[in-house]
Amino acid sequence: EAGVVQSPRYKIIEKKQPVAFWCNPISGHNTLYWYLQNLGQGPELLIRYENEEAVDDSQLPKDRFSAERLKGVDSTLKIQPAELGDSAVYLCASSPSSGASTDTQYFGPGTRLTVL
Amino acid sequence: GDSVTQMEGPVTLSEEAFLTINCTYTATGYPSLFWYVQYPGEGLQLLLKATKADDKGSNKGFEATYRKETTSFHLEKGSVQVSDSAVYFCDLNGKLTFGQGTILTVHP
Repeated sequence: EAGVVQSPRYKIIEKKQPVAFWCNPISGHNTLYWYLQNLGQGPELLIRYENEEAVDDSQLPKDRFSAERLKGVDSTLKIQPAELGDSAVYLCASSPSSGASTDTQYFGPGTRLTVL
Repeated sequence: GDSVTQMEGPVTLSEEAFLTINCTYTATGYPSLFWYVQYPGEGLQLLLKATKADDKGSNKGFEATYRKETTSFHLEKGSVQVSDSAVYFCDLNGKLTFGQGTILTVHP
């Protein structure tokens, strides 16, 4: 079974440029998460989807960040414009059902963003 | 609110030493408890979990017992290997919050 796929793995951009990250969750997983992980820190949830609906986006900085999950499968996270402080690893995860507390999250390898 | 408190690191051990990484939680109800591990350059992956009191999760020689009386889920391994060097995260599921993790370094 294929795991969570993310692309690109690495991205270097200049500040004020836009950037987008793509995630393909494990087949059949209804719940999809985007996390931000700064160096030496644990992941911080940005947004959680159940199917195509964003059920928790309270931590997403909506002035510059946006996300979508069309058709309830793949998802894209966008930053426009990027700032220096956005340099981090962006992790995507998925889980089988609708956010049940017993669900294991399966993480992708992440996209490491560097903003110059 | 619900939260976990995880032992701060870093932890440095010699190969074959005994490992304990403490994790205590505060929660209403009956949360599920998880340990995730992040190897260098990789994403997080589930190490083990327990979904009810007195359950013991185990994997790769690691164990953790869900103890409701002490609200703890300490991670233990009897003999660590160099390949166990990683960052370990205790997670109180349902809240989707991870602490900063505990960095474990094992020397030959």
